[in-house]
Amino acid sequence: GAVVSQHPSWVICKSGTSVKIECRSLDFQATTMFWYRQFPKQSLMLMATSNEGSKATYEQGVEKDKFLINHASLTLSTLTVTSAHPEDSSFYICSARVLWAPEAFFGQGTRLTVV
Amino acid sequence: GEDVEQSLFLSVREGDSSVINCTYTDSSSTYLYWYKQEPGAGLQLLTYIFSNMDMKQDQRLTVLLNKKDKHLSLRIADTQTGDSAIYFCAEAEYGNKLVFGAGTILRVKS
Repeated sequence: GAVVSQHPSWVICKSGTSVKIECRSLDFQATTMFWYRQFPKQSLMLMATSNEGSKATYEQGVEKDKFLINHASLTLSTLTVTSAHPEDSSFYICSARVLWAPEAFFGQGTRLTVV
Repeated sequence: GEDVEQSLFLSVREGDSSVINCTYTDSSSTYLYWYKQEPGAGLQLLTYIFSNMDMKQDQRLTVLLNKKDKHLSLRIADTQTGDSAIYFCAEAEYGNKLVFGAGTILRVKS
């Protein structure tokens, strides 16, 4: 299957700082990227959907000013957790998809720990 | 709204077949998916099936879809210890976001 690379794999940051997570589609052009959050032993919670060149669509309850999503090109989307707090500690996973294609490919995830 | 449910845990012996079940509520689902997640990793797409199909087979994996009952299953033949992971069922309407179940933990005993 297609490769989606997510970086970093893990990050530890101090409370109040911002963290940027990158998601790249390596061998295809992703018209749509999704950002998920996964709590321990739980399913994936969709945070937002972004289409290249347009603003992200956030799910209900997700603060768009806290979780900034940029999808500037067909191969790169970024999620910035601004002013991170310990409750933001989680596993964040991106997914990339070509418009109207059935497959959705996932990155390897980023473990964020805010101390 | 959309809802996807799965059994939480399955334990099988190495060499046996595993069957993971999933039910969904969205009658507009176009595609149904099975993903595998190993500890600390992202999701690996195992297979998907179009909603007008009843069955799809891919090596050791067999997907059965009962659209009338909105029931999806994943059968893993000759289950190996490396198959131990969490398996997620998901559904999506054409071009839309995927909705995931809670995941089924598969434990394979040697």
